[in-house]
Amino acid sequence: AQKVTQAQTEISVVEKEDVTLDCVYETRDTTYYLFWYKQPPSGELVFLIRRNSFDEQNEISGRYSWNFQKSTSSFNFTITASQVVDSAVYFCALSEVLTSGTYKYIFGTGTRLKVLA
Amino acid sequence: DAMVIQNPRYQVTQFGKPVTLSCSQTLNHNVMYWYQQKSSQAPKLLFHYYDKDFNNEADTPDNFQSRRPNTSFCFLDIRSPGLGDAAMYLCATSSRDRGSYEQYFGPGTRLTVT
Repeated sequence: AQKVTQAQTEISVVEKEDVTLDCVYETRDTTYYLFWYKQPPSGELVFLIRRNSFDEQNEISGRYSWNFQKSTSSFNFTITASQVVDSAVYFCALSEVLTSGTYKYIFGTGTRLKVLA
Repeated sequence: DAMVIQNPRYQVTQFGKPVTLSCSQTLNHNVMYWYQQKSSQAPKLLFHYYDKDFNNEADTPDNFQSRRPNTSFCFLDIRSPGLGDAAMYLCATSSRDRGSYEQYFGPGTRLTVT
């Protein structure tokens, strides 16, 4: 079965600390996509990154970096030098192909990150 | 800017009183989704449209219906809201034909049932 596990329910850090959010997934598909979304208090889900199953290169975007390891079925997200504006709930998601020919997301339960000033 | 718009942002309805939530998009995407997100939970897909084809998730209650009159608009109808239907409802779009797998989400409508 398709599944995404975010074991960390809530993390609190002090501003400028680095923090890593864990994501472990299970899938029967050989081709799939993984995503990270940020959900601030306003409620909108903001797309952060997409990674396909054939691309295991790590990616860095400013203070954000992602570590995809197929061998351990993990797709972890690190924020360097965290800021108060990073406070949000972060969701990891896995694509699942639907019979319609499109796909849906399987979301993890999310990790609430609190960055304290 | 191209975007996904949801109206209203906050909706209060009475127990059993039908309510409609709306979603519009300027992205010209052919797929539109409705998710339900209850407090402190992950979003859960209710159904989606691929062009005009409606696709219901197996566990979506019959109380929830949807309409897509054209590419730009999609509606979520809750025929007889119960207290358990209080949630954030998120609309999302994607473009199946462009090979892109990202879904673009609207700001959500927070539904309260009294």
